[in-house]
Amino acid sequence: GQQLNQSPQSMFIQEGEDVSMNCTSSSIFNTWLWYKQEPGEGPVLLIALYKAGELTSNGRLTAQFGITRKDSFLNISASIPSDVGIYFCAGEARGGGSNYKLTFGKGTLLTVNP
Amino acid sequence: DTGVSQDPRHKITKRGQNVTFRCDPISEHNRLYWYRQTLGQGPEFLTYFQNEAQLEKSRLLSDRFSAERPKGSFSTLEIQRTEQGDSAMYLCASSGELADNEQFFGPGTRLTVL
Repeated sequence: GQQLNQSPQSMFIQEGEDVSMNCTSSSIFNTWLWYKQEPGEGPVLLIALYKAGELTSNGRLTAQFGITRKDSFLNISASIPSDVGIYFCAGEARGGGSNYKLTFGKGTLLTVNP
Repeated sequence: DTGVSQDPRHKITKRGQNVTFRCDPISEHNRLYWYRQTLGQGPEFLTYFQNEAQLEKSRLLSDRFSAERPKGSFSTLEIQRTEQGDSAMYLCASSGELADNEQFFGPGTRLTVL
């Protein structure tokens, strides 16, 4: 089945630093999504990407849909303490019985030191 | 609050008991999804509904699991004869017609089987 490799597994950074994390897959996805999850809560959608090469921003967050459709990255600029959480990439592959099913990475745990 | 809601937020049960969880999606969303998340992992797809029709079920959904969405609005997920391996966070998500691959998650139900 489809698998997503997300890296790094965890990051410890100082407030104000920029952060970059990425996701790679062995198969093609039609949509890439990035979520943030805080302890005891469900994932919150941050950014959705629909086309290969697409670059989308949401405030201090920027994400790109890789040209090969097998990867995506998320950047966070000028991190603040409330950025702490687990960031998940998720991909959706239409067709072949995989419609609407999201495949998630294992997450990147971000810790920001004030 | 017009987001996805789930009830209960926490459930502790003894092995062998049956449990039922409820999900209320965002009101105009016609698709509803169930995922399971264990510690250190991303959510894993279980099943999804389009209106009242259950269109896909994961192999993770053993015959002890059943999900319904009788009127195309709220959904229930029942686990019969619970096992310790069923302990996990059960997440519900919904999506609408216009952006049907943007799935919005509820806060989850944390199940602990003793």
